[in-house]
Amino acid sequence: DAKTTQPPSMDCAEGRAANLPCNHSTISGNEYVYWYRQIHSQGPQYIIHGLKNNETNEMASLIITEDRKSSTLILPHATLRDTAVYYCIVRVTMTGTASKLTFGTGTRLQVTL
Amino acid sequence: DVKVTQSSRYLVKRTGEKVFLECVQDMDHENMFWYRQDPGLGLRLIYFSYDVKMKEKGDIPEGYSVSREKKERFSLILESASTNQTSMYLCASKASLANYGYTFGSGTRLTVV
Repeated sequence: DAKTTQPPSMDCAEGRAANLPCNHSTISGNEYVYWYRQIHSQGPQYIIHGLKNNETNEMASLIITEDRKSSTLILPHATLRDTAVYYCIVRVTMTGTASKLTFGTGTRLQVTL
Repeated sequence: DVKVTQSSRYLVKRTGEKVFLECVQDMDHENMFWYRQDPGLGLRLIYFSYDVKMKEKGDIPEGYSVSREKKERFSLILESASTNQTSMYLCASKASLANYGYTFGSGTRLTVV
């Protein structure tokens, strides 16, 4: 799996957009970018994933650069409940026996009043 | 919604005891996983199973074993608990054909004294 690099921590004011960057310069053409988050004392939660195109769902948007060497997770209107550790992971596939994921140490996002 | 239930939220055991951590999921998922989480180290995969009675070692299997006799249940066994196995243990499941989205349990915080 391609290695990812994320800043260890970030702050964001409540109501503002939180933009979490991830570098994956060694990503292969068939590797997806996945984002998870972990709120304190809970198990990680899936947020979004993408291959080439930008993706949006009810939780967030994922912007992948044209060369695919980096991506940004956007929480459009951050709330205090978005305070969590955010993990960026790249994987070829998550089907069948290749389903295992390796989590790094992620970015700790602190949303403040 | 898929539910992944871990039998205990907190557990205290003595060194040398045999410890069973139980995980049950209710959505007929083929894949199940056990991770441990320690400060500064992120989540590390211990074992996973992609079918009943099938198991594969993750990144840190030493000192652990697993059992998957039924599709919905995946047990983690510490044969002889040691203090360095004090950790947060997280169970997860995923449908085999889905290219996204683990569902995690709430975790078991195990303390070995």
